[in-house]
Amino acid sequence: QSVLTQPPSASGTPGQRVTISCSGSTSNIGSNAVNWYQHLPGTAPKLLIYSNNQRPSGVPDRFSGSKSGTSASLAISGLQSEDEADYYCAAWDDSLNVFYVFGTGTKVTVL
Amino acid sequence: QVQLVQSGAEVKKPGASVKVSCKASGYTFTSHYMHWVRQAPGQGLEWMGIINPSGGRTSYAQKFQGRVTMTRDTSTSTVYMELSSLRSEDTAVYYCARGWDLLDYWGQGTLVTVSS
Repeated sequence: QSVLTQPPSASGTPGQRVTISCSGSTSNIGSNAVNWYQHLPGTAPKLLIYSNNQRPSGVPDRFSGSKSGTSASLAISGLQSEDEADYYCAAWDDSLNVFYVFGTGTKVTVL
Repeated sequence: QVQLVQSGAEVKKPGASVKVSCKASGYTFTSHYMHWVRQAPGQGLEWMGIINPSGGRTSYAQKFQGRVTMTRDTSTSTVYMELSSLRSEDTAVYYCARGWDLLDYWGQGTLVTVSS
């Protein structure tokens, strides 16, 4: 039972823009940086976006992140077939029992 | 280059314990925290806890308190995650991942199957 809520699925045709939301609270997204991970079946998750909107070296600039208040978003523009994967937001939570939390995950399908 | 290499797949009976290792190379082992994350079949990523390889201090998710122990061996640059009192719901792929806030390198994953 994650405290970061994402839509279970999102889809688009090649070239389209897809946006994934991540809803949290003041103890997590509201006070800490949000990171996004891409997870392809059978592989290790990969860091996609860190510190809300920063891309690690090697991540295409069609991936972008944003944060406002207690919500964050990941946008994929110019959707490609290789973008079909599960996407997770994540952040530290500073509630009584400090912990790191992943979002519920969103499966992106390229139609 | 940074590498995290995990131990191989395990099959355990309910009630048993499992200890998964994660050997780090390519960076200063004591300079980066290590998380453990798991993914059960058909489920999302679940955070289990974190260890500071420098001093060995740990913090565990409430769900695993009392059942999980994370340790490290600085002489071999290896972190360990031991989970006890295994039940079928613990069947999952277990990952180690480097970092505090952003998890920038991940191990390849270790499948732990709990079955009688």
